[in-house]
Amino acid sequence: AQSVSQHNHHVILSEAASLELGCNYSYGGTVNLFWYVQYPGQHLQLLLKYFSGDPLVKGIKGFEAEFIKSKFSFNLRKPSVQWSDTAEYFCAVNPPTSGTYKYIFGTGTRLKVLA
Amino acid sequence: DVKVTQSSRYLVKRTGEKVFLECVQDMDHENMFWYRQDPGLGLRLIYFSYDVKMKEKGDIPEGYSVSREKKERFSLILESASTNQTSMYLCASRKQGISYEQYFGPGTRLTVT
Repeated sequence: AQSVSQHNHHVILSEAASLELGCNYSYGGTVNLFWYVQYPGQHLQLLLKYFSGDPLVKGIKGFEAEFIKSKFSFNLRKPSVQWSDTAEYFCAVNPPTSGTYKYIFGTGTRLKVLA
Repeated sequence: DVKVTQSSRYLVKRTGEKVFLECVQDMDHENMFWYRQDPGLGLRLIYFSYDVKMKEKGDIPEGYSVSREKKERFSLILESASTNQTSMYLCASRKQGISYEQYFGPGTRLTVT
């Protein structure tokens, strides 16, 4: 079955620590990849996206993600987190074979950053 | 700026009631989506619409229907609400095409008692 896995369900870090959130997907072939973030009480918003080209993608607020095709992974990273990064993070895959419509979301990772 | 709005942030309904959730987007997007978000389950697609009057079932369509009579508006209907439909409902829209992301509304937290 088509799936997206986020293995870390809850992550707690201190400010200035480095962050890496894992995302693995189960599709072969070309995929479009996204990371979304949901801050407390706010709507989901796009952090970054990958469609093609350079596998290292830079997004907003200092986040980046690396697409590793051989590992079916799209991990999210930030070198130094801030208290304001406390949020829930969702990885999503849009397999082009879905006709561009269907997005498969992971179950999310709740990040808490301690001041 | 893309704006996706949902008719209510919080809604409380009784079991068996018919419930309408409305979503409006102001960017002339062709595609619109309804998800439900539950803790530990992420976002699950209920229905999507790729154009006016066009709709397709997502992964969990049972107990729901949708309507898209105008391009900017996508309605989710719970024909007879049940307690297991208590959830956060998210609407999203996107421009037609392979390289576009979804834009989300603020969500409607529905409680069915």
